[in-house]
Amino acid sequence: AQRVTQPEKLLSVFKGAPVELKCNYSYSGSPELFWYVQYSRQRLQLLLRHISRESIKGFTADLNKGETSFHLKKPFAQEEDSAMYYCATTNKLIFGTGTLLAVQP
Amino acid sequence: DADVTQTPRNRITKTGKRIMLECSQTKGHDRMYWYRQDPGLGLRLIYYSFDVKDINKGEISDGYSVSRQAQAKFSLSLESAIPNQTALYFCATSDLQGADTQYFGPGTRLTVL
Repeated sequence: AQRVTQPEKLLSVFKGAPVELKCNYSYSGSPELFWYVQYSRQRLQLLLRHISRESIKGFTADLNKGETSFHLKKPFAQEEDSAMYYCATTNKLIFGTGTLLAVQP
Repeated sequence: DADVTQTPRNRITKTGKRIMLECSQTKGHDRMYWYRQDPGLGLRLIYYSFDVKDINKGEISDGYSVSRQAQAKFSLSLESAIPNQTALYFCATSDLQGADTQYFGPGTRLTVL
């Protein structure tokens, strides 16, 4: 079955530290992968998508087909990055279980 | 982003009651979705609709039904609510031309007693 896995429920880092939110997928075709973010008291919103190969708010994510991964990275975490992050694929509209990122001052 | 709205925002009901959650959008998107969010389970797809005449079951459609009244409106019904349907429900829209990026509503918190 197609699946998106986010192994970490909670990731706590200090301000200025590097961040890597893990996402692995299982899909036999060409995946369309996204990262969505939900800040406190706000609605879910798109952070970035792999087809754009863009950097948003300092975050990047590279699709690694060999490792079937789409990890989200940021070199220096900021307190305002604290939020729930979801990896998703729209091939079958599947979301991961989410990772709560907590950036400590 | 007020383009996707949901009513009500909060609802408390009793087991066995019929409940309808409504979603409206002004984005002009053809595709609409209903998800539920549970702690530790992330978002799971209930139903989706790619246009007014198209309705598809998602991962967890049992106990739910939907109606696509117009391009802009997509309603979710719980025919006979049960406590394990207590969750946060999200509506979303997307447009194929936008690479299917999903735009979410603010959510409806439903509690079934």
